Amino acid sequence: QLVESGGGLIQPGGSLRLSCAASGLTVSSNYMGWVRQAPGKGLEWVSAVNNGGNTYYADSVKGRFTISRDNYNNTMYLQMNSLRADDTAVYYCAKLETTGYDFDFWGQGTLVAVSS
Amino acid sequence: QAGLTQPPSVSMGLRQTATLTCTGNNNNVGSRGAAWLQQHPGLPPKLLFYRNTNRPPGSSERFSSSRSGNTASLTITGLQPEDDADYYCSTWDTSLSAWVFGGGTKLTVL
Repeated sequence: QLVESGGGLIQPGGSLRLSCAASGLTVSSNYMGWVRQAPGKGLEWVSAVNNGGNTYYADSVKGRFTISRDNYNNTMYLQMNSLRADDTAVYYCAKLETTGYDFDFWGQGTLVAVSS
Repeated sequence: QAGLTQPPSVSMGLRQTATLTCTGNNNNVGSRGAAWLQQHPGLPPKLLFYRNTNRPPGSSERFSSSRSGNTASLTITGLQPEDDADYYCSTWDTSLSAWVFGGGTKLTVL
């Protein structure tokens, strides 16, 4: 199970930290990522971390977002800074299958709304 | 980052067969194949196929997938009302070093 939290309404330029608490799987042993979906739009990959700790970012969030994980608490995070209106979306936490190419299990999502 | 190309909408009748396509290039679909995801309104995506043709446990056998060159296809036979949903393809792009998604296809079951 993957449970996201930390979403909410935030003003442009603000910061939020999303959490993804995992149960039944070990975050540090898997490729894990964040995918977002703006209202009425399609899916957009945001960031990922592999089981070796290497991190990946979409160009649209590079330099503003940071992905990390807490192995003790089996939780993944997404620190989001300098938020913009176009970051408004439901943010899904997802696990990738063993090769690291495909997202095979998804959380329920948490809504981030950036507005003044 | 450039994504994969999917037709925005497809409409087919009950019990008919629908084929959805996903077109990429040699750096993504052509080399890695694609995964297929189904999403109903208000719910998270659900995996239908991974690594092109691998079906996760519990996935309906009315769904099948294939790839020809840079195009992946999802075929749904015997369409049911519950198949009315959005369908997305995704894969890893070796040139972009990024995961890419298609824009999604809204399948309407008439």
